[in-house]
Amino acid sequence: EAGVTQFPSHSVIEKGQTVTLRCDPISGHDNLYWYRRVMGKEIKFLLHFVKESKQDESGMPNNRFLAERTGGTYSTLKVQPAELEDSGVYFCASSQPGAQPQHFGDGTRLSIL
Amino acid sequence: GENVEQHPSTLSVQEGDSAVIKCTYSDSASNYFPWYKQELGKGPQLIIDIRSNVGEKKDQRIAVTLNKTAKHFSLHITETQPEDSAVYFCAEGGSNYKLTFGKGTLLTVNP
Repeated sequence: EAGVTQFPSHSVIEKGQTVTLRCDPISGHDNLYWYRRVMGKEIKFLLHFVKESKQDESGMPNNRFLAERTGGTYSTLKVQPAELEDSGVYFCASSQPGAQPQHFGDGTRLSIL
Repeated sequence: GENVEQHPSTLSVQEGDSAVIKCTYSDSASNYFPWYKQELGKGPQLIIDIRSNVGEKKDQRIAVTLNKTAKHFSLHITETQPEDSAVYFCAEGGSNYKLTFGKGTLLTVNP
């Protein structure tokens, strides 16, 4: 069974540019989550999809971040425009319907210059 | 809001010794407590989890204990090996599924 996959593994962009991260969850996992870890801090929750619906987006930092999961399969997280404080590692996780545990991808390391 | 404190932030042990990492949480509604291991360049990998109706769970060299009254839970690794070296994260979750993580513990097992 393939795990959670994330693209790209690294992204380096300049402040003000746009970046889109992609996450492919484990097949059959209705729940999809985004988290991020900025340097020196803990891993923090951003949002939770159940299929294509946003169940909880309480962790999204501001309206420069847009997450989508059209069709309830893969998800994208777009940052527009990127700011310096957006640098960090963005993790995606997925879990089976109505259940824990969450399985994590290897993350996208985002660097804003 | 939810808060998870994790200690120690770094831990160095000799191969074969035991390692213990402790976490405390604040949300009384928390009912799910996973532990993740993160190796360099990889994502967090679940190593063990426990639910609030259980006080202890063991899987080979790894065990987790939970004290709901005191709101703390601990990870115990026995007979440590160099490949156990990694960053370990505790987390807590409730009915809304989102996980709140501790800041992590860098465990180094010296051969």
